[in-house]
Amino acid sequence: ETVMTQSPVTLSVSPGERATLSCRASQSVTNKLAWYQQKPGQAPRLLIYDASTRATGIPARFSGSGSGTEFTLTISSLQSEDSAIYYCQQCINWPWTFGQGTKVEIK
Amino acid sequence: EVQLVESGGGLVQPGGSLRLSCAASGFTFSRYWMHWVRQAPGKRLVWVSRINSDGSSTSYADSVKGRFTISRDDAKNTLYLQMNSLRDEDTAVYYCARDPTVAAYFDSWGQGTLVTVSS
Repeated sequence: ETVMTQSPVTLSVSPGERATLSCRASQSVTNKLAWYQQKPGQAPRLLIYDASTRATGIPARFSGSGSGTEFTLTISSLQSEDSAIYYCQQCINWPWTFGQGTKVEIK
Repeated sequence: EVQLVESGGGLVQPGGSLRLSCAASGFTFSRYWMHWVRQAPGKRLVWVSRINSDGSSTSYADSVKGRFTISRDDAKNTLYLQMNSLRDEDTAVYYCARDPTVAAYFDSWGQGTLVTVSS
């Protein structure tokens, strides 16, 4: 099983600042990596797929990069509504697995 | 607008059974692979099962294989998850999710239904 590890566990960022979240895979997932945002009591929402493609309706301040085993989600200018837990997911090695999440807090 | 609405969760004793449903609307359900993903309280998301667009192929996480069965009724635009021999560790919110391109990422999710296994 491909283990996905996210860092940091919690990230506290001031409004307007940049937030950088990391995701590492225990083996290569090429570019088959998705990012989701989950707010309390809500279902996850797809942000990024294929490592760097924004999903429909996702603001341009969200961007993804990386390939192989190292990936990054960047929120270029943090807004208050971005407070949430962010999960990465690999989509190539069965079974498909998620990271443990990074909680983004507004400072 | 794509909508997925789960139902059927509840409290069940260990060893018991439940059937979850996911009613789909706003898209051509029969064209899409569908998945179930679960999330125990305060824990990460875990993929559970998937079914292809015509229902001829399914797969399961090892933790549920032999106990859970995924199925679909395209005439009713509904996805199902039959859960038997339930264990404490199956306690979670269960989400149905749409796979837009047979790529195993999920572009639409239901709101989830809570399954609690406890005596």
